[in-house]
Amino acid sequence: ETGVTQTPRHLVMGMTNKKSLKCEQHLGHNAMYWYKQSAKKPLELMFVYSLEERVENNSVPSRFSPECPNSSHLFLHLHTLQPEDSALYLCASSQENPGVGEQYFGPGTRLTVT
Amino acid sequence: DAKTTQPPSMDCAEGRAANLPCNHSTISGNEYVYWYRQIHSQGPQYIIHGLKNNETNEMASLIITEDRKSSTLILPHATLRDTAVYYCIVSGLNYGGSQGNLIFGKGTKLSVKP
Repeated sequence: ETGVTQTPRHLVMGMTNKKSLKCEQHLGHNAMYWYKQSAKKPLELMFVYSLEERVENNSVPSRFSPECPNSSHLFLHLHTLQPEDSALYLCASSQENPGVGEQYFGPGTRLTVT
Repeated sequence: DAKTTQPPSMDCAEGRAANLPCNHSTISGNEYVYWYRQIHSQGPQYIIHGLKNNETNEMASLIITEDRKSSTLILPHATLRDTAVYYCIVSGLNYGGSQGNLIFGKGTKLSVKP
């Protein structure tokens, strides 16, 4: 247990569906992150939030929409996804950003787009 | 792009020390060396980080060369549960660059064998 939880753990959705991924951290951290890990590719940083404000968006398509209502919760809203969006989506948190220190990752949501 | 170079794979006998090398010849003065590992289909797990001094914790030791251009992660007594992909990451507060974010490369796949 890392103190970062993600739900659901597995998700299958059609290309016309709308779904949301949820992340919650119980560590009192101020920064949260979304990463994408496609098969046989390195983890890719998608979004960074610091004190509930988005500070980085790494050219992610608009069909991915993040939301950070407070420093403990992070959502990733999904709509009209493509099959190539199938991947493991990982959430992480850290004490602060920018800053130096370790990130703690959740177990991920395995997403399959059909 | 990742700023580190690691061998793609390594084997280690159970109970022996696993020494995982990493080259980071372009590291700058305010960047830290981080090590994470990812067991199959799980979220990455923080192991250790350091700036210029050697570091040790309950999981591993980190040896950083005096010129800081390379480092070695040491798992003193590898077990089968240490089989994972190990990532060496350079990160810090870089003006004009990613502020403390992690850029994952392909890592080293460590296989611990009985």
